[in-house]
Amino acid sequence: QSVLTQPPSVSGAPGQRVTISCTGSSSNNGAGYDVHWYQQLPGTAPKLLIYANNNRPSGVPDRFSGSKSGTSASLAITGLQAEDEADYYCQSYDSSLSGWVFGGGTKLTVL
Amino acid sequence: VQLAESGGDLVQPGGSLRLSCAASGFTFSINAMTWVRQAPGRGLEWVSTISGSGDSSYYADSVKGRFTISRDNSKNTLHLQMSSLRAEDTAVYYCAKVGGLKNFEYWGQGTLVTVSS
Repeated sequence: QSVLTQPPSVSGAPGQRVTISCTGSSSNNGAGYDVHWYQQLPGTAPKLLIYANNNRPSGVPDRFSGSKSGTSASLAITGLQAEDEADYYCQSYDSSLSGWVFGGGTKLTVL
Repeated sequence: VQLAESGGDLVQPGGSLRLSCAASGFTFSINAMTWVRQAPGRGLEWVSTISGSGDSSYYADSVKGRFTISRDNSKNTLHLQMSSLRAEDTAVYYCAKVGGLKNFEYWGQGTLVTVSS
């Protein structure tokens, strides 16, 4: 049972838009801690995709965007491409646990 | 930035293992570092974080008292000493550079630890 809740899977056709939710609580997302997103392509290490809720590191396409409101955050991917098929994880910090927390991960399938 | 883990191996339950992470491309001594693990077919789990100076360290409850994180800033190397290993510690262990916003900016390729008799 992960501290941050994500849907196990989402899917979409090429060119479509999908969103992945990340729901936390008053001790993490809701406490003002930033939410970050990671993309893990099959067989590879995770890569930082979105940091501090809605910022893209250099090199990340603007098809990827993030948002956060209260205890919930979302990752949106527009113009879906086959290479976007991966696992996506949200991450934050939890003051009650005094540690870093992840969502359970969401598998994106491009139909 | 480059991070390269090593030390993963097959170890028996109750055994010990030391992982290392060689860092380059950034000022190692001023950056917090972390270990994150991923059990086969499972999600990411934060394990431990250490401050840049090494004065402060933090652990997940699942490893507290069994794992020890440390660093050698003279050698730009991060370590994870694991003891009393259990089957549920079987995972790929990643080291990562911690950003100023409590995010994990850069990741290594991971090293596999298998705990089995």
